[in-house]
Amino acid sequence: NAGVTQTPKFQVLKTGQSMTLQCAQDMNHEYMSWYRQDPGMGLRLIHYSVGAGITDQGEVPNGYNVSRSTTEDFPLRLLSAAPSQTSVYFCASSLGLAGSDTQYFGPGTRLTVL
Amino acid sequence: AQSVTQPDIHITVSEGASLELRCNYSYGATPYLFWYVQSPGQGLQLLLKYFSGDTLVQGIKGFEAEFKRSQSSFNLRKPSVHWSDAAEYFCAVGRGSQGNLIFGKGTKLSVKP
Repeated sequence: NAGVTQTPKFQVLKTGQSMTLQCAQDMNHEYMSWYRQDPGMGLRLIHYSVGAGITDQGEVPNGYNVSRSTTEDFPLRLLSAAPSQTSVYFCASSLGLAGSDTQYFGPGTRLTVL
Repeated sequence: AQSVTQPDIHITVSEGASLELRCNYSYGATPYLFWYVQSPGQGLQLLLKYFSGDTLVQGIKGFEAEFKRSQSSFNLRKPSVHWSDAAEYFCAVGRGSQGNLIFGKGTKLSVKP
């Protein structure tokens, strides 16, 4: 059982480039979310989805786009990368809502924007 | 608005000593409370959670936490720390049906041999 997988593990981008961070889960979880982790800031919610076809913004959505065409996949798109988006990105999933259920985290993607 | 405060950024304890990590939350109703642990270079893993009932909850790896409504606290404890417990610990509060989780900024635990 793979759980939550994220690719790539590491990525370096130049300012203005776009890219997609991949996230997949094989637990048939309805709820998925993306967080960014910055030193001293904890985890901040970027976007989340309560099921296929339904997404919503979290605390820090600017500069990011998501879609949820299947239950399994929840990609995060950076439209035009900026140095402020240098961070570690975590995808998480849960059977129920994140506010009341255990979240399962992927191993993270470390992104550097030059 | 709900919030979570972890007052200690970094704590160092000796192996075998007891541990208490503090967490205070701000939320009008009874919250859903969680402690997650992040080992270096890894994702987060749930240690324990509190929804209702007994205010002392047991988790994995010998950790426990106590919910104190009067103090708006949910402190994490372990009677005897092992070197493998060195990690970063995050307290989080959820609003149940509102869907989202708010994380504290984390406490990094170092363990001295």
